[in-house]
Amino acid sequence: NAGVMQNPRHLVRRRGQEARLRCSPMKGHSHVYWYRQLPEEGLKFMVYLQKENIIDESGMPKERFSAEFPKEGPSILRIQQVVRGDSAAYFCASSPRAMSGNTIYFGEGSWLTVV
Amino acid sequence: QQQVKQSPQSLIVQKGGISIINCAYENTAFDYFPWYQQFPGKGPALLIAIRPDVSEKKEGRFTISFNKSAKQFSLHIMDSQPGDSATYFCAARGGSEKLVFGKGTKLTVNP
Repeated sequence: NAGVMQNPRHLVRRRGQEARLRCSPMKGHSHVYWYRQLPEEGLKFMVYLQKENIIDESGMPKERFSAEFPKEGPSILRIQQVVRGDSAAYFCASSPRAMSGNTIYFGEGSWLTVV
Repeated sequence: QQQVKQSPQSLIVQKGGISIINCAYENTAFDYFPWYQQFPGKGPALLIAIRPDVSEKKEGRFTISFNKSAKQFSLHIMDSQPGDSATYFCAARGGSEKLVFGKGTKLTVNP
């Protein structure tokens, strides 16, 4: 039973380029969450999605960031026109249903470096 | 009010000792308090969690103590081992799907 799969694990982008981070939830999970972790900081919530729906995007920056979870395929976190401050680890988590405490599983993260 | 304050930032313990990490919160709507363990280059993994209707929960060498009136909770690691060396995060959730994380404690257990 594969866990939450994130790719790429490491991504280097130049300022102004686009970054696309992908997340495949665990089998049977239809709820996906994205969190960002800055160096020496805890994780900060970005967005919560169910298939084809954004449920809560209150943690997403207003500009340049978007997320989707299509009917088929992985969830995508897209960062346009990246800046140095976007350098961070981006973690995806999934769960089989809402408000599920001990069944939220995190992936191993995607480390974005903006040069 | 959405913050979870975690201390200490770093902790060094001798093998066999007790590691104690503390967290405090303000939002009384929080009703689920998990602790996560994170190794370098890995994602956080759920260690143990508690709800506010109990004051203590124990799983093996890991214990959460919860003080609802003080809005504080703590993680105790008994008989700490070098393999426990990692960063530990407390978190809280309530009223929404968001987990609010503390800033983490880097634990080093010396052999």
